Amino acid sequence: DVKVTQSSRYLVKRTGEKVFLECVQDMDHENMFWYRQDPGLGLRLIYFSYDVKMKEKGDIPEGYSVSREKKERFSLILESASTNQTSMYLCASGTSGDQLWTQYFGPGTRLLVL
Amino acid sequence: GEDVEQSLFLSVREGDSSVINCTYTDSSSTYLYWYKQEPGAGLQLLTYIFSNMDMKQDQRLTVLLNKKDKHLSLRIADTQTGDSAIYFCAESIGSSYKLIFGSGTRLLVRP
Repeated sequence: DVKVTQSSRYLVKRTGEKVFLECVQDMDHENMFWYRQDPGLGLRLIYFSYDVKMKEKGDIPEGYSVSREKKERFSLILESASTNQTSMYLCASGTSGDQLWTQYFGPGTRLLVL
Repeated sequence: GEDVEQSLFLSVREGDSSVINCTYTDSSSTYLYWYKQEPGAGLQLLTYIFSNMDMKQDQRLTVLLNKKDKHLSLRIADTQTGDSAIYFCAESIGSSYKLIFGSGTRLLVRP
């Protein structure tokens, strides 16, 4: 079974703090993703990584950065947390082949910024 | 632009069939997907259908795709209380890695 783990289930931070969200997958997938999930908005892609040290901006990258130093680990960084970044953050890893993109999701981190 | 829409809520009785609907706007979809999210959990891929197929069946799940109307549905036969969750449809376009997600349909199964 594919396993995608996220470092925290719940996190409370203060405005202006630097926040690290970690994601680890154990299936040697090349592709990893960070999404945020907000009620009524579905999932929105923040960043995508297709290899170590390689990344692409998603639909809402502002206020976020990412790091992928090892294949199994993909980190999302909030340089200076703001209240509008309160959300559920979902990490995914996956494969691609013949235009079929299969993504496996972690359990999510619910972040509250005060 | 790309858009995927779903109704917000569906309530069914245990043992009945559930049908969750989804519409999309981009006619160049390659694959369409259904994901399930249980409370407090991430998303789990349930099934997917290639855009040149009309139907796919997988045990209790039946996916119907009407390309002309850009309409996708997920039918769950003999719905159980464990099927209560949020269901997301998503599409991929061409060879792009981006999945465009709907906002999710909350399915409530009443005993």
